[in-house]
Amino acid sequence: SSELTQDPAVSVALGQTVRITCQGDSLRRYYASWYQQKPGQAPVLVIYGINNRPSGIPDRLSGSSSGNTASLTITGAQAEDEADYYCHSRDSSGNHRVFGGGTKLTVL
Amino acid sequence: QLQLQESGPGLVKPSETLSLTCTVSGGSISSSSYYWGWIRQPPGKGLEWIGSIYQIGSTYYKASLKSRVTISVDTSKNQFSLKLTSVTAADTALYYCAREGYGGNYWYFDLWGRGTLVTVSS
Repeated sequence: SSELTQDPAVSVALGQTVRITCQGDSLRRYYASWYQQKPGQAPVLVIYGINNRPSGIPDRLSGSSSGNTASLTITGAQAEDEADYYCHSRDSSGNHRVFGGGTKLTVL
Repeated sequence: QLQLQESGPGLVKPSETLSLTCTVSGGSISSSSYYWGWIRQPPGKGLEWIGSIYQIGSTYYKASLKSRVTISVDTSKNQFSLKLTSVTAADTALYYCAREGYGGNYWYFDLWGRGTLVTVSS
């Protein structure tokens, strides 16, 4: 089991807004980072820290955090956003890294 | 532009040792304040952090793998390596190496290799 919990699957209509969440006690102390993984490809960092986007990541992807929940929001989802999304942070001890189980996003 | 590339055997026999190397090109592995990590992904499953090493040699391992894992760095070759002993079929996975950055209270893997598939089978 993972110390970071994600919904296994989420769907969104094209152009609509979707929020992907990640829950864990450690998120009260640490921010999450988020990764997008498309089939056959390595994960790509899309959000880190409070709400930082690496170069090349569209601004329709944004991050937020409240209590024990981190969220990745996609505003105006596009077909190319269909992918698996993973959150990542420290575990509750703070000593080790941990990934969430992943959320499969389907754009309808 | 910094790039990472995993290399090593694609097939390992049960009970033997899995050995992989990550070669960093386009920059020095020791010139910046980054960690260097290994992450794996079993077929059809999610990501699992294995461990990370800081350039001065401090290592951090997933608790459940700690007894079998060793990560080391060779700054002269601009490489870092993973050894996983006593492998079983459960260790079959796509293995990624990645660069890990950090801020005050957040960490992130910002550069990834393409991954290398390791199958454990006799």
